[in-house]
Order: sequence, then C-alpha cells, then structure tokens
Amino acid sequence: GAGVSQSPRYKVAKRGQDVALRCDPISGHVSLFWYQQALGQGPEFLTYFQNEAQLDKSGLPSDRFFAERPEGSVSTLKIQRTQQEDSAVYLCASSLTRTSGSRDEQYFGPGTRLTVT
Amino acid sequence: KQEVTQIPAALSVPEGENLVLNCSFTDSAIYNLQWFRQDPGKGLTSLLLIQSSQREQTSGRLNASLDKSSGRSTLYIAASQPGDSATYLCAVPKYNFNKFYFGSGTKLNVKP
Repeated sequence: GAGVSQSPRYKVAKRGQDVALRCDPISGHVSLFWYQQALGQGPEFLTYFQNEAQLDKSGLPSDRFFAERPEGSVSTLKIQRTQQEDSAVYLCASSLTRTSGSRDEQYFGPGTRLTVT
Repeated sequence: KQEVTQIPAALSVPEGENLVLNCSFTDSAIYNLQWFRQDPGKGLTSLLLIQSSQREQTSGRLNASLDKSSGRSTLYIAASQPGDSATYLCAVPKYNFNKFYFGSGTKLNVKP
C-alpha cells in the first residue's frame, strides 16, 4: 500500500510568513510523529499524536509551532511568523500501534524542506 | 534525558570491506532499538528493529546487535557495496513510546 506522504516537498517562505506542512500517514496507523532535522543532524522530536490526541508536544521549540490531527489521520504542522532558524527538513512518521515491547516500526515520509529567507 | 551517540560521524571504505557502525545510549531501560538508512534528500528507511529481549537481528548483509547493559548497539555491514552509501541512524523510544531519540548518524561512503 501507499507509504507516508508529505506535502509540499519544498517550501520557501519569507521571514514572518506562516506555513502549513501536511502529513498523510499510512492508513490505519495510530501513532504519528513530527520531527525536525537540521543539516547533518539526526531528527529531533517535535510532537506525537495517538489518533487525534496530541499526547506529547514537548519538542515544539516555541509557541509559534502548532500541530493538529483532528480526525486521527492527516496531520498538519503549522509554523507562524517563520524565522530563519526554522529552516530545516520536517519529517513525519507513523506506526501501527503504541505498545511497549512491540515490533512497531516507524515509517517515514520523504520530508518537507523549509527554507526561510 | 536519553542521549544517543553514533561513532564515527563519517566513514569511507573501499567496496567489499566489512564494516561496523556504532550506536550508544545513556539510559539502558529501552524496549527496542531501530536502525535506519537515509539517502540524500529522502526520508528514513527502516533497516532493522531489535527488541530489548534480543541480542541480534539479521537482514541480508546487515546484522545488528544490542547490548542493553552496556548501552550499545552495532550495525555490521558485510561485503559493502557502493549502493550502501548513505547515512545510517539509530533510534530508541522513550518508555511510553511517545517520543524517539535519534543519534546524529554515520555518513557512509563506499568507493567502487
């Protein structure tokens, strides 16, 4: 079946603009994660959803970042008043369940590369 | 907070060599550890997932081991090929699976 998809793949925003990044997880996957990846670094956790509930948003760097998953499927990461330090690749991942000790692998989308000028 | 470290940061080897990538983590109370591959401009592809009760997991030329007590995992790649060139990342979940911690990766270049 289809994997995780993200759109747009590339986004250039002027400083101060608002942006919205979309993630379509694998159908039926309960868990959805957003990560921020700077050049040459590993992904840094931003936020986690279990179905429509946002259970962890401890990684969001400021109150300019907001994420939602209203129907428990598609998710949107919104960044308000973008700053240059927001330039990064934003990755979305989904997994089937959230059970400890499970063989629950994360499946990643291709990412959205955000450049703030 | 869990800290995940990967050494070396970069590695260049001639084709055909066997090689080992290292991943260490500070909190040994993990449920599993996952190895990923990332090609330039692409997302992450899962390679292997090792449960905390396992010591090894194999897929083709890849073998991953896990030593929880010492906080280490290794990814062994046999008979490396130019197509193996990519960045390899390891990740461990928080106890409640609400968050995953990644290393910064090892960038591998296999020369023909």
